[in-house]
Amino acid sequence: GDSVTQMEGPVTLSEEAFLTINCTYTATGYPSLFWYVQYPGEGLQLLLKATKADDKGSNKGFEATYRKETTSFHLEKGSVQVSDSAVYFCALSAQGGSEKLVFGKGTKLTVNP
Amino acid sequence: GAGVSQSPSNKVTEKGKDVELRCDPISGHTALYWYRQRLGQGLEFLIYFQGNSAPDKSGLPSDRFSAERTGESVSTLTIQRTQQEDSAVYLCASSSRSGQKQFFGPGTRLTVL
Repeated sequence: GDSVTQMEGPVTLSEEAFLTINCTYTATGYPSLFWYVQYPGEGLQLLLKATKADDKGSNKGFEATYRKETTSFHLEKGSVQVSDSAVYFCALSAQGGSEKLVFGKGTKLTVNP
Repeated sequence: GAGVSQSPSNKVTEKGKDVELRCDPISGHTALYWYRQRLGQGLEFLIYFQGNSAPDKSGLPSDRFSAERTGESVSTLTIQRTQQEDSAVYLCASSSRSGQKQFFGPGTRLTVL
């Protein structure tokens, strides 16, 4: 079945450091890919998405590119801030069907000042 | 309301008891999803409702789990004869229609003693 694998955390960085959180997927067809973020004490919210190969999703300085050839959707940010501390989830939605989301296990990011 | 709401926010129950969890989706959203997040795990899809179509129940882990939705409004997730492994955060999400951005509620934290 469809699955998502993302790098295990926790990840601890200093402010202004470069961030990469790796995400790879297994799915048939052409799924849509997402990054969701859960800030402390808050609900899960969509960070960015890409719906077809080579698309780049971006939001709040974060970017991820849909790579069909490597089945990857790595999350990057050039300069993290303390306020980026959160748990990040990579997810996919299979082509057609109920559009349910299949999630990775999440990566906890802590950014220190 | 402005967002997806869920109740109760926390529920502690004894093994063997039945529990009901409630989800109020965003008004006008036709699609509604239930997910489960066990400690240290990603979110697992449970069930999906879209309008008056038959729900996608493919994620329900056992016949102790069931869910209902009245029209395009409130949904309840029922767990009968709860077990300790049912302890998790149960998240509800809604979207304007299938395939669109999912908005998540704050979740219900269920603890089975």
